[in-house]
Amino acid sequence: KAGVTQTPRYLIKTRGQQVTLSCSPISGHRSVSWYQQTPGQGLQFLFEYFSETQRNKGNFPGRFSGRQFSNSRSEMNVSTLELGDSALYLCASSLALRTVISYNEQFFGPGTRLTVL
Amino acid sequence: GIQVEQSPPDLILQEGANSTLRCNFSDSVNNLQWFHQNPWGQLINLFYIPSGTKQNGRLSATTVATERYSLLYISSSQTTDSGVYFCAVERNGGSQGNLIFGKGTKLSVKP
Repeated sequence: KAGVTQTPRYLIKTRGQQVTLSCSPISGHRSVSWYQQTPGQGLQFLFEYFSETQRNKGNFPGRFSGRQFSNSRSEMNVSTLELGDSALYLCASSLALRTVISYNEQFFGPGTRLTVL
Repeated sequence: GIQVEQSPPDLILQEGANSTLRCNFSDSVNNLQWFHQNPWGQLINLFYIPSGTKQNGRLSATTVATERYSLLYISSSQTTDSGVYFCAVERNGGSQGNLIFGKGTKLSVKP
């Protein structure tokens, strides 16, 4: 089974531009979460989508947004880029089973490394 | 919010040595995962272990949920074990899909 894929792998943008990152989850996974990793703040949760709905959101400004499509693929968008947005953006997918025994193991993609100049 | 603390922050070993990495968390959890981040940044799943003990080759992990800690054991370490190891938890009753990460343990295995 193919793993989580993310495109593009590397991206260079300038301040003020916007960017869209894409994530394709493992086949059959319904939940997609996004994380930002920086040297200073570590790994931080951005948001989570399930069945095309944003269920949870981390503590990030409104410039960060996302969406999920009917095939569970997800995109995140960052508008009006700032230098501090330079980071590794990681996407994770999970089955998101919530039955008698909760199981929510997350599997990560290779990430998109964004550099803002 | 829940706090996740990993220790030690840095660890240097000779090839063949054993090590124990620790993860303390401040609240009850639904989900606890250990990851190894490779040099290219990808997080590799090691264990999904909200409670109990699991083993996979030279690696094993134990989570004692009632005491709010987890341990990752690496035996007979190899240079390829080098990298950063992260513990991440999903708080019980917290938002689903939201893993809270520790700051990681950077492991360097010398030949």
